[in-house]
Amino acid sequence: EVQLVESGGGLVQPGRSLRLSCAASGFTFDDYAMHWVRQAPGTGLEWVSGINWNSGSIDYADSVKGRFTISRDNAKNSLFLQMNSLRAEDTALYYCAKATRGYLEGAFDMWGQGTMVTVSS
Amino acid sequence: DIQMTQSPSSLSASVGDRVTITCQASQDIKNYLNWYQHKPGKAPKLLIYDASNLQTGVPSRFSGSGSGTDFTFTISSLQPEDIATYYCQEYDNLSFTFGPGTKVDI
Repeated sequence: EVQLVESGGGLVQPGRSLRLSCAASGFTFDDYAMHWVRQAPGTGLEWVSGINWNSGSIDYADSVKGRFTISRDNAKNSLFLQMNSLRAEDTALYYCAKATRGYLEGAFDMWGQGTMVTVSS
Repeated sequence: DIQMTQSPSSLSASVGDRVTITCQASQDIKNYLNWYQHKPGKAPKLLIYDASNLQTGVPSRFSGSGSGTDFTFTISSLQPEDIATYYCQEYDNLSFTFGPGTKVDI
C-alpha cells in the first residue's frame, strides 16, 4: 500500500525555523518526483515546492523562494522541507504528494494526511 | 504567472444530477490540467490528469475535457459521496497553480 506520512509540524514563532519530513512507503521512492502543497485555514490548495527523482530539478513557489528548501533522501525514502524565516502567512496544513513521473511535470497521484504548521507569537 | 479561475465557486445539486465545473487558464496550457477532489479532513485525491484521462480506480461518472485555456469537469450523476471541493491544477512551465476550488453540496 502506498503511504505518505508527514511529521514535524507544530507551533513556531515568526522568524523561526521548522523542518518537515515525509516518510514514503509502498512504492519505489527514487522513481518519482515529490512535492509539498499547503492549505491555509479557510483557503484552497497552494503548491509550495517540488523536487525530481534525483534532486537535479527543484522549484519553489514565489511565496517561499529563498526561505524554504526542499530535499530528499532516496536511501531513506524520505522527503524534507526546511522552512526558515517563517511568517504568519505560512500557517497551513502541509501535504506531501507523490508525482506520477520522475520529473516535476505531471499530476500528484498520492497525498499524505498533512502536518499542521502554525506561525504565531 | 499563470492564473486559474473556476466557476462556480460553489453549487448545490440533487443526487443523480449532472454537475459541470469550468476552469479557465490565463494563458495556453495545452492539456496540462489535472482535477482533484478534496473532502474535509482527508487527503486530496487525483481524479483526472492531462485534462481528460481518468485516474485508475476513479468511477466513470467523473470526466474531464478541454485544452488550451478552457476546461470542463463533469460528474454525470451526482452521488452523496461526491460532496467535496474540486480543484483544477495546471502544470505548464513548472508553476503547478491550483484553481480556487468549487464546493459541491447536495
